[in-house]
Amino acid sequence: GQNIDQPTEMTATEGAIVQINCTYQTSGFNGLFWYQQHAGEAPTFLSYNVLDGLEEKGRFSSFLSRSKGYSYLLLKELQMKDSASYLCAVMDSNYQLIWGAGTKLIIKP
Amino acid sequence: DAEITQSPRHKITETGRQVTLACHQTWNHNNMFWYRQDLGHGLRLIHYSYGVQDTNKGEVSDGYSVSRSNTEDLPLTLESAASSQTSVYFCASSEGQGETDTQYFGPGTRLTVL
Repeated sequence: GQNIDQPTEMTATEGAIVQINCTYQTSGFNGLFWYQQHAGEAPTFLSYNVLDGLEEKGRFSSFLSRSKGYSYLLLKELQMKDSASYLCAVMDSNYQLIWGAGTKLIIKP
Repeated sequence: DAEITQSPRHKITETGRQVTLACHQTWNHNNMFWYRQDLGHGLRLIHYSYGVQDTNKGEVSDGYSVSRSNTEDLPLTLESAASSQTSVYFCASSEGQGETDTQYFGPGTRLTVL
């Protein structure tokens, strides 16, 4: 079966750095997406990786290793507004998105 | 600005009733999707469409139907609502493949079936 694993919840301090991991087992791979979802709101797109390596977008970076079936989202200089759930999703061989259950990130002052 | 909207935002209905949730996008995207989101689960695909007159079943399609008569709209119908269908429903759309297959989500509809 297809599976996406992420930690259920993480806590970090304002101003610090946090890494949210995602491991996947899917039938085929056509890219990995990270989304941010604030409570009661819609998911919003953060990043897309299809090749191995690191993609940087301001305070957020996303890394992919296809051989290991592994990705992480790195958030730097954490702000209170970063408190949200972070969803990892993999596009499989049928171009369907398989979603992880999400990681709830709690930022403490 | 292009957008994707859903209505209603909140709905309470009774078991056995037919319910239709609307989704409208002005991105002119070919691809449209319906998901449900429940605590402890990732987003689960209900139905999707790759263009007008095209509809496909997703992972959890039982009890749901969709129709695509134009590019902008993909209404989701619950034929006979059940308590297990209490959930938050998200509609999404995307343009193509690769990074352009990034899905953009509507604000969601919270459905309660009593």
